[in-house]
Amino acid sequence: ILNVEQSPQSLHVQEGDSTNFTCSFPSSNFYALHWYRWETAKSPEALFVMTLNGDEKKKGRISATLNTKEGYSYLYIKGSQPEDSATYLCAFLDFGNEKLTFGTGTRLTIIP
Amino acid sequence: EAQVTQNPRYLITVTGKKLTVTCSQNMNHEYMSWYRQDPGLGLRQIYYSMNVEVTDKGDVPEGYKVSRKEKRNFPLILESPSPNQTSLYFCASSFLGTGGDGYTFGSGTRLTVV
Repeated sequence: ILNVEQSPQSLHVQEGDSTNFTCSFPSSNFYALHWYRWETAKSPEALFVMTLNGDEKKKGRISATLNTKEGYSYLYIKGSQPEDSATYLCAFLDFGNEKLTFGTGTRLTIIP
Repeated sequence: EAQVTQNPRYLITVTGKKLTVTCSQNMNHEYMSWYRQDPGLGLRQIYYSMNVEVTDKGDVPEGYKVSRKEKRNFPLILESPSPNQTSLYFCASSFLGTGGDGYTFGSGTRLTVV
């Protein structure tokens, strides 16, 4: 079973501050890295699917970078808002496989 | 509206009583999958299907069955549920096993086996 690690496990951030967190994954056999946003009592929603080393994707105030050679991805949130409170999941797909392996998530709480 | 529909949302059952959790998607996705979520653990894959009549085991398939007779439906069957199958279950689908634009998840089924 592949090892996908996310840090920190939880994070409290003041409204208006920027923040970031990490996803680490195996650097061999890379195919794709997914980020999902999971609000309490809802289902995970896809944020980004990244496939190329050096990829940087952006959606509003949220962006992500990818380093496949060293096996990590960062998710950044600029100017945090209360609606950003959620658990952020990353998931790794290795080449030749058909299943995503999920990390345990970073639980983000924005303090008004 | 493009969606994955899971039913029921909540279910309490007794040990050994067969149950089925339904999953249906309206996006013509080839790939469908079942995951379970337990505290402190990431989403773990139970079974997946690359297309009609093609199913494969994920990481935790014991105690579960699936079928894919039609493209849109992928039910999860627990023939003889046990308390260790108490969990939050998600169905997901995508155009490709590689995820395409990401998986679309159903709303989840919280199962309690007593």
